[in-house]
Amino acid sequence: AQSVTQLGSHVSVSEGALVLLRCNYSSSVPPYLFWYVQYPNQGLQLLLKYTSAATLVKGINGFEAEFKKSETSFHLTKPSAHMSDAAEYFCAVFNNRKLIWGLGTSLAVNP
Amino acid sequence: DTGVSQDPRHKITKRGQNVTFRCDPISEHNRLYWYRQTLGQGPEFLTYFQNEAQLEKSRLLSDRFSAERPKGSFSTLEIQRTEQGDSAMYLCASSLEGRVEQYFGPGTRLTVT
Repeated sequence: AQSVTQLGSHVSVSEGALVLLRCNYSSSVPPYLFWYVQYPNQGLQLLLKYTSAATLVKGINGFEAEFKKSETSFHLTKPSAHMSDAAEYFCAVFNNRKLIWGLGTSLAVNP
Repeated sequence: DTGVSQDPRHKITKRGQNVTFRCDPISEHNRLYWYRQTLGQGPEFLTYFQNEAQLEKSRLLSDRFSAERPKGSFSTLEIQRTEQGDSAMYLCASSLEGRVEQYFGPGTRLTVT
């Protein structure tokens, strides 16, 4: 069965610092992987997706993620955090027509 | 593209009452999904439609839950005899056939008192 593990339920960075949110997956087949962002009391917004094309995927709001098959990872990064990046971030893997989700990482950005 | 919409955004109900939520997908999307999200958790899959056909239901979906998509456009999710454990955010998503990315609505937050 496919699954997703997000390391670190809470991450805190200073404004302007590097953001690194970790995601590891398990899959018996080449996966489709996603990062979504959720602001308080809102739905989920697609940040970026990996669908077996380029291993470095660029998304919205300056985020990017790198697919590393050898490490079964799909970590999300942003070079410089903004206050507006504070939100919950979810990694997900596509499995049999539905998404399987990690538990999420709450990102706090300190001034 | 008007996005996925859900109605209502918030619902407070007393235990034992029935509630119904509506989801309108992106107009050309033929696939529609319902997920449930509790505090501090990722979403959990509930059910999936392709056009009007309900193709999969999670074991999480007890007999008190029913979902429909009668004309292959909007969908409704009904919960009968609500329980406090039903309190959650109910999320709807849609996608195009052949595409894997799903687009989510704002969710309906249900509080059962």
